[in-house]
Amino acid sequence: AQSVSQHNHHVILSEAASLELGCNYSYGGTVNLFWYVQYPGQHLQLLLKYFSGDPLVKGIKGFEAEFIKSKFSFNLRKPSVQWSDTAEYFCAVKGGGSGNTGKLIFGQGTTLQVKP
Amino acid sequence: NAGVTQTPKFQVLKTGQSMTLQCAQDMNHNSMYWYRQDPGMGLRLIYYSASEGTTDKGEVPNGYNVSRLNKREFSLRLESAAPSQTSVYFCASTRWEYQNGYTFGSGTRLTVV
Repeated sequence: AQSVSQHNHHVILSEAASLELGCNYSYGGTVNLFWYVQYPGQHLQLLLKYFSGDPLVKGIKGFEAEFIKSKFSFNLRKPSVQWSDTAEYFCAVKGGGSGNTGKLIFGQGTTLQVKP
Repeated sequence: NAGVTQTPKFQVLKTGQSMTLQCAQDMNHNSMYWYRQDPGMGLRLIYYSASEGTTDKGEVPNGYNVSRLNKREFSLRLESAAPSQTSVYFCASTRWEYQNGYTFGSGTRLTVV
């Protein structure tokens, strides 16, 4: 069965620090990969996605992620975090690649707290 | 505004009561999903509907039923609520050909006492 593992459950950073959140998945075939963000009290919003092509994906608000197929990883990065990035971050995977059916499997989430 | 609409936003039930969570989307999506979110456990799939007329169990279906009423609407029913079903419930939809991932509703916070 597919699974997604996020290594860091709770990360605390100061403003302007660099961020890297780990995400590993288990699935032997073609995958689509996603990072979602959930601000306090809100629903999940898409940060970025990988379907195919360039493994370095750029998303909204200065976030990027790199798909490393050999490591089954899709880590999220941001060079300089802001207080407004305080939120919970979820990695998700859909197996079966670009097929027109399927479902997302989510990691446990990482809570990011940015201190001003 | 186009999106996924969930009702109600908050609900308190007594153990054994029943209720239906409603979800509707107006983005011409064909796949719809129900997840529950619990602290430290991420989002777990309860049921999904890949297309109108089909429904399938997800990871945690026990205690729930679903109905795909039409292409737009996908409801989740708790027949006899239990305290273990206290959670935040999210509906999501997508059309995978669009390659945009899910669009989520704003969630229903359910407390079973």
